Amino acid sequence: SYVLTQPPSVSVAPRQTARITCGGNNIGRKSVHWYQQKPGQAPVLVVSDDSDRPSGIPERFSGSNSGNTATLTISRVEAGDEADYYCQIWDSTSDHHYVFGTGTKVTVL
Amino acid sequence: QVQLQESGPGLVKPSETLSLTCTVSGDSISNYYWNWIRQPAGKGLEWIGRIYTSGSTNYNPSLKSRVTMSVDTSKNQFSLKLSSVTAADAAVYYCAREEFWTHYFDSWGQGTLVTVSS
Repeated sequence: SYVLTQPPSVSVAPRQTARITCGGNNIGRKSVHWYQQKPGQAPVLVVSDDSDRPSGIPERFSGSNSGNTATLTISRVEAGDEADYYCQIWDSTSDHHYVFGTGTKVTVL
Repeated sequence: QVQLQESGPGLVKPSETLSLTCTVSGDSISNYYWNWIRQPAGKGLEWIGRIYTSGSTNYNPSLKSRVTMSVDTSKNQFSLKLSSVTAADAAVYYCAREEFWTHYFDSWGQGTLVTVSS
């Protein structure tokens, strides 16, 4: 089964840049999607297909994907960005199913 | 704007079957995939499975033997049944929409907490 590995936590000062990685075997060949989840709330899609932003998501959120690592970048971090972030892919190699990353807690210092 | 709402018992006894329903409003249930995703307290997200409005399904291999999903287009609802539950199945259960062939979840329900206890 395909495994997506994220760092458990990332700390960043306000107005700085946060980078959250998502590691997987040849993940660059897959489309990666990212979700933000605040405490007590459902996840919200913030980046789809590696680097597309859904309507209403600030331009500060961007994504990239190459080789064995996908990255979600949050520029000019705000206090409201403090949340858990999950990457997600569609594993079509066998038993077609979805896989989520382990999740990263972003703390704004 | 589409809205999803999970409903069902918040308490299920061990070895029994968990049953949840997701009601979709603000849009037709047709021509989308409908997913169930769960999150144990303090842990990450786990995809359970999905159903298309034709009735076609895909399930998480780790849960496949215990999962059944169904859809009722006349009621704009879809459902999850998870059999032989244990404490490990206690979680917040979310329903989520997936536009055909996008492979991501663009709308989510608020989630419903299911506890497993006798």
